[in-house]
Amino acid sequence: EIVLTQSPATLSLSPGEKATLSCRASQSVSNYLAWYQQKPGQAPRLLIYDASNRATDIPARFSGSGSGTDFTLTISSLEPEDFAVYYCQQRSNWPLTFGGGTKVEIK
Amino acid sequence: QVQLVESGGGVVQPGGSLRLSCAASGFTFRNYGMHWVRQAPGKGLEWVTFIRYDGSDKYYADSVKGRFTIARDNSKNTVYLQMNSLRAEDTAVYYCAKVRITISGMVIYVMDVWGQGTTVTVS
Repeated sequence: EIVLTQSPATLSLSPGEKATLSCRASQSVSNYLAWYQQKPGQAPRLLIYDASNRATDIPARFSGSGSGTDFTLTISSLEPEDFAVYYCQQRSNWPLTFGGGTKVEIK
Repeated sequence: QVQLVESGGGVVQPGGSLRLSCAASGFTFRNYGMHWVRQAPGKGLEWVTFIRYDGSDKYYADSVKGRFTIARDNSKNTVYLQMNSLRAEDTAVYYCAKVRITISGMVIYVMDVWGQGTTVTVS
């Protein structure tokens, strides 16, 4: 199975700052990489699919990039509601797999 | 609006069984593949299983293969997860989610919309 490694585990930033989250795959997943946001007590929400496509109603401050094994989720300017845990997920091979998550916390 | 509502969670003893249901509304259910994803307490997300729109293909995580079965009833807009031989490590919140279909009709095997989850405790 494809292992996804997210870094850093925790990112401490202030509102208005830029967040850069990384996801590395153990083998190429082409561009079949998605990103999700999860807030405490809530279900996850799809942000980005196929590396760079924003899902429905996702603000433009969220962007994704990368291909092959290295991917990045960028939040251009953090809003208070963006502090959450972010997961990447690959759909290149079955079984589908998730990364371990990056927590973006308020500094 | 698109809505997914899970039910059937509860407390079960190790070795026991449970059947989860996920009722869908607000979209043409029979056209969409469906996932189950779980999250153990304080842990990350784990994909569990997937079923195609017509039930013709099913995929499972190794951790549940042979113990869990996914099924769907398109006449009832419902997907099920039959869980047998439950173990303590199956304790989690279980979410159902639908795939995404692009305007051009391409199926994207992501979790586009999620339910609120149902809690399973094996103890």
